[in-house]
Amino acid sequence: DAGVIQSPRHEVTEMGQEVTLRCKPISGHNSLFWYRQTMMRGLELLIYFNNNVPIDDSGMPEDRFSAKMPNASFSTLKIQPSEPRDSAVYFCASRSRQSNQPQHFGDGTRLSIL
Amino acid sequence: QQQVKQSPQSLIVQKGGISIINCAYENTAFDYFPWYQQFPGKGPALLIAIRPDVSEKKEGRFTISFNKSAKQFSLHIMDSQPGDSATYFCAASMIGGNQFYFGTGTSLTVIP
Repeated sequence: DAGVIQSPRHEVTEMGQEVTLRCKPISGHNSLFWYRQTMMRGLELLIYFNNNVPIDDSGMPEDRFSAKMPNASFSTLKIQPSEPRDSAVYFCASRSRQSNQPQHFGDGTRLSIL
Repeated sequence: QQQVKQSPQSLIVQKGGISIINCAYENTAFDYFPWYQQFPGKGPALLIAIRPDVSEKKEGRFTISFNKSAKQFSLHIMDSQPGDSATYFCAASMIGGNQFYFGTGTSLTVIP
């Protein structure tokens, strides 16, 4: 089975540019999570969706960040405008709603804002 | 506020030794405790998980010990190997909940 697929794997862009990260969750999973990982702050939950509906976006750092899930097989995380402090690895994870099921992570997008 | 506290931050173990990573929590509503293993350039991957109705779960060289009264759980890696060198995260989630609360991670290095 295909796991969680994220694209791009690496993104380098200049400050002020719009950045869009993409995620395809595992088929049949109906919860999707976006995380940010840095050395300083570890793994931070940014936002998660149940059945394509955003449930908790309290982790989204600023209005520059937005996330959408237009259907069950696709989600985007957008940063506009990007800043150097947004440099991090961004992970997407998905999960089945059955009890006690783990989250399955993609391999992340390493984002560098110059 | 960190819902799950993990220690140590880093750990160096000799090949063949036992690696022990500890986590503690306060919220008694947590009922699922997974451990994740992360290699450089990869996402965290589920290693082993436990529910609070058992005190221990073993899968190969990996064992979770769970102390419900103390609200602590730990990962033991027996006969540690250089290939086990990775970052390990504990996590917890609530009954009926969807969100996972992750520890801050432990960087394990197993030296030959």
